[in-house]
Amino acid sequence: AQSVTQLGSHVSVSEGALVLLRCNYSSSVPPYLFWYVQYPNQGLQLLLKYTSAATLVKGINGFEAEFKKSETSFHLTKPSAHMSDAAEYFCAVSDRGGSNYKLTFGKGTLLTVNP
Amino acid sequence: EPEVTQTPSHQVTQMGQEVILRCVPISNHLYFYWYRQILGQKVEFLVSFYNNEISEKSEIFDDQFSVERPDGSNFTLKIRSTKLEDSAMYFCASKGQGTETQYFGPGTRLLVL
Repeated sequence: AQSVTQLGSHVSVSEGALVLLRCNYSSSVPPYLFWYVQYPNQGLQLLLKYTSAATLVKGINGFEAEFKKSETSFHLTKPSAHMSDAAEYFCAVSDRGGSNYKLTFGKGTLLTVNP
Repeated sequence: EPEVTQTPSHQVTQMGQEVILRCVPISNHLYFYWYRQILGQKVEFLVSFYNNEISEKSEIFDDQFSVERPDGSNFTLKIRSTKLEDSAMYFCASKGQGTETQYFGPGTRLLVL
């Protein structure tokens, strides 16, 4: 069974600082990988995804993530945090060989941005 | 931009009552999902639906739960006899053919008293 581990349930950064949110997955074959963001009282919005080809994926709002097969990781980064980035971030995987693409989520990382 | 919508946004019910949560997926999507998020916990898969039948369900999705696509646009989740532990945010998602990306609705917050 697939699993996702997000290290750090809460990350706090200063405005303008680097954002690094960690995600490691466990899967027999490299899965599809996603980062979703959840703003307070809102649903889940797709930030970016890795499906194949380029291992460095760029998403919305200046975020990017790098797929590293050797480390089974898909960490999310942003060079300079903005106050509006404060939200909860979820890493998720789905089975590449499956037929229904159900998502398995990590526990989420709450990002706080300090002025 | 097309989006998934869900109604109601909030629902409060008494234990033992039936609730129906409604979703309108993106119009040309063929795969439909329900997930739930208990407060403070991770988002969990409940069920997937394709071609008018359940394609996969989790252990959470027991006989108290059912899904239906009653017409060409709605996708519903019914909880027949709610329990306190059913209190959660329920998300609907849909996915098109030939893509991996699921699009989520804003959720229905269910509170069972």
